[in-house]
Amino acid sequence: DVKVTQSSRYLVKRTGEKVFLECVQDMDHENMFWYRQDPGLGLRLIYFSYDVKMKEKGDIPEGYSVSREKKERFSLILESASTNQTSMYLCASNSRGDRASEAFFGQGTRLTVV
Amino acid sequence: AQRVTQPEKLLSVFKGAPVELKCNYSYSGSPELFWYVQYSRQRLQLLLRHISRESIKGFTADLNKGETSFHLKKPFAQEEDSAMYYCALDGGATNKLIFGTGTLLAVQP
Repeated sequence: DVKVTQSSRYLVKRTGEKVFLECVQDMDHENMFWYRQDPGLGLRLIYFSYDVKMKEKGDIPEGYSVSREKKERFSLILESASTNQTSMYLCASNSRGDRASEAFFGQGTRLTVV
Repeated sequence: AQRVTQPEKLLSVFKGAPVELKCNYSYSGSPELFWYVQYSRQRLQLLLRHISRESIKGFTADLNKGETSFHLKKPFAQEEDSAMYYCALDGGATNKLIFGTGTLLAVQP
């Protein structure tokens, strides 16, 4: 019963390429998140969307953009990939309004930029 | 500013020993706090939330507003508890989730 699905498990891209990471959830959640997970740094929020076409910058938005055209889909875009964007990327979603709402995570996309 | 601090990167204990994973937070309002866990090769998942006041897999966590802490405890560690544990804060009207840096718990046999 997979609830949050990320389009790729592993990706290898070249420096300077435009990269799209896709995430889809089937729980009708208002909120969707993109994090990157690095050893020793934990989960750092890149961008957050609380509704269709609405977004808010997280702690490390530089070099990234996002798109939320439909409620169930949240895309992370690396405009021009760089080696320091090599990381594990996690997508998550939860309900808005219920402040104890459980967040559900995707399986992660391990991106390597060469 | 909203912030979650987990001071220990690694906590190594022997099976049967007590476990305490530390979490401190910074938030001006009334926070909602969570512990998430990631077992090897599995997705990150919710372990427990402070509002539920429940024990999950023998783990408990109490919110201490005076000390701004939400430490995770278990009286007797098991090998299957070995995982990465993240403390998280839900603050604000939009339910933005902020995570700490995580603590790797290693339970030795």
